[in-house]
Amino acid sequence: GENVEQHPSTLSVQEGDSAVIKCTYSDSASNYFPWYKQELGKRPQLIIDIRSNVGEKKDQRIAVTLNKTAKHFSLHITETQPEDSAVYFCAFGGGTSYGKLTFGQGTILTVHP
Amino acid sequence: NAGVTQTPKFRILKIGQSMTLQCAQDMNHNYMYWYRQDPGMGLKLIYYSVGAGITDKGEVPNGYNVSRSTTEDFPLRLELAAPSQTSVYFCASSYSGGAGGNTIYFGEGSWLTVV
Repeated sequence: GENVEQHPSTLSVQEGDSAVIKCTYSDSASNYFPWYKQELGKRPQLIIDIRSNVGEKKDQRIAVTLNKTAKHFSLHITETQPEDSAVYFCAFGGGTSYGKLTFGQGTILTVHP
Repeated sequence: NAGVTQTPKFRILKIGQSMTLQCAQDMNHNYMYWYRQDPGMGLKLIYYSVGAGITDKGEVPNGYNVSRSTTEDFPLRLELAAPSQTSVYFCASSYSGGAGGNTIYFGEGSWLTVV
């Protein structure tokens, strides 16, 4: 079945630093790549997404880049703040998966003040 | 709008018991999903539905059943609960999954412990 590898599994940064999380996916037909943030005890919430016809998308301090040839995409967070501390999940879907999303294992991001 | 509503939020089951997790959405989404999340892990798809009367298995369907009699409701049934089913269950929905993929919205989760 489809799978996605997400790295690193944990990431610790100082406030103000940048954080980068990378995912590699298996289904070349996928065309939808969202990132979700999950705070402790809460539901996953979409923070940014990108479609296969776009190479990069930015929303304030967060950005996502997509390399369809290499089948990987990355989340970039700049000027990190303590409230960015959470678990981040990449996912992919669309194409032959239609509405279903396959999720990565998650990255625990800790931002130290 | 309430979005995706799940009940109960917490439940303790004894081995062998059965129960139903309720899920309802008021966004008129045609796609609905059940995911489970084990501690420190990602989300795994249990079952999904593309519309009323249509359901299909996801990655980890064993031990579960679903039904979709209306657009709004998508209950998940656990038969003969086992300790391996201890997990957090998330119901979710999206509009017209299609081939383009669309944002999935999650409910608040149901914490289930089987003892």
